[in-house]
Amino acid sequence: DVKVTQSSRYLVKRTGEKVFLECVQDMDHENMFWYRQDPGLGLRLIYFSYDVKMKEKGDIPEGYSVSREKKERFSLILESASTNQTSMYLCASSFLAGGPDTQYFGPGTRLTVL
Amino acid sequence: AQSVTQPDIHITVSEGASLELRCNYSYGATPYLFWYVQSPGQGLQLLLKYFSGDTLVQGIKGFEAEFKRSQSSFNLRKPSVHWSDAAEYFCAVGSGTSYGKLTFGQGTILTVHP
Repeated sequence: DVKVTQSSRYLVKRTGEKVFLECVQDMDHENMFWYRQDPGLGLRLIYFSYDVKMKEKGDIPEGYSVSREKKERFSLILESASTNQTSMYLCASSFLAGGPDTQYFGPGTRLTVL
Repeated sequence: AQSVTQPDIHITVSEGASLELRCNYSYGATPYLFWYVQSPGQGLQLLLKYFSGDTLVQGIKGFEAEFKRSQSSFNLRKPSVHWSDAAEYFCAVGSGTSYGKLTFGQGTILTVHP
């Protein structure tokens, strides 16, 4: 079974703090994704990565950055957290490098920024 | 750009009743379609997917979905709902390119009455 793990289930941070969300997958998947989930808006793609050190912006990248130094690990960084970044963050991975494939999701990190 | 609409934000059914969740997509080429389910506090789990071939797709937990190109729809169905089906359901569309990116609908929350 594919396993995608996220470093924290719940996180509380203060405005202006630098926040790191970590995601690890154990199936040698090529692609990794970061989404945020808000009620009524579904999942919105923040960033994705299709190879080590390769990344592309998704639909809502503002205020976020990412890092992928190793194939299995994909980090989401909030450079200076703000209250409007309070949300559920979901990480996912998929295998095929060039096309559509099932995305496997982690359990999510619920981030609250005070 | 591709998009997905789930017209029903919230659906309530009685246990044992049939269920249909609607999904309409907008995409210029052959779409790759997915249904995911999210139980409270959990990540997303794949129910079923359509890439090509038979337009009626069987999934896990007794769910099925039918791809109708003429209606740009991919509705999810279950003949008899169980209380454990209460969850949020997401429809998603992907393309043949773009590293497996998916666009998700807003989600439909299913409540099951005993």
